[in-house]
Amino acid sequence: AQSVTQPDIHITVSEGASLELRCNYSYGATPYLFWYVQSPGQGLQLLLKYFSGDTLVQGIKGFEAEFKRSQSSFNLRKPSVHWSDAAEYFCAVGFLTGGGNKLTFGTGTQLKVEL
Amino acid sequence: DAGITQSPRHKVTETGTPVTLRCHQTENHRYMYWYRQDPGHGLRLIHYSYGVKDTDKGEVSDGYSVSRSKTEDFLLTLESATSSQTSVYFCAISEEGETEAFFGQGTRLTVV
Repeated sequence: AQSVTQPDIHITVSEGASLELRCNYSYGATPYLFWYVQSPGQGLQLLLKYFSGDTLVQGIKGFEAEFKRSQSSFNLRKPSVHWSDAAEYFCAVGFLTGGGNKLTFGTGTQLKVEL
Repeated sequence: DAGITQSPRHKVTETGTPVTLRCHQTENHRYMYWYRQDPGHGLRLIHYSYGVKDTDKGEVSDGYSVSRSKTEDFLLTLESATSSQTSVYFCAISEEGETEAFFGQGTRLTVV
């Protein structure tokens, strides 16, 4: 079955520390890959996306993600976390079909930033 | 921000009552989606639309129906609300040939 796994439910980091959020997917082919961020009470904002080409993609707010086909992973990273990065992060996969881009989401990782 | 408005933003309803949530877009995008968000599950697709009057089921469609009579509006109806439908509902839109989906602010529905 197709699935997206975010193994870390909660992560706490100190402000200024580096961050890596993990995402693994299980699909027959390489899907489109996305990272979204959700602040409390808000909708989802796209951080970055990967379709093909360079496996290291840059996003907004200083985030980057690396696609590793051999590991079926798309991990999100940030070199130095800011207190405002505290939020919930979702990895998602999708394919363009006649039904548009229906996304399958992971269960999310809640990020807490300690000052 | 993409022009997506969800209404209402909050609603409390009683078990067994019908409820309709509305998603309105000003982007003229072809595709519209309804997701629900629950702790431990992330977001799951309920229904989606690929054009006016063209809709299909998603992963968790039982107990829900949708309608799209105009490009800009996508309605989600709970025919007889149950407590298991207490959730946060998100509408999303995307354009043909584009992979990015834009999300609304969400509707928090509580069924008591």
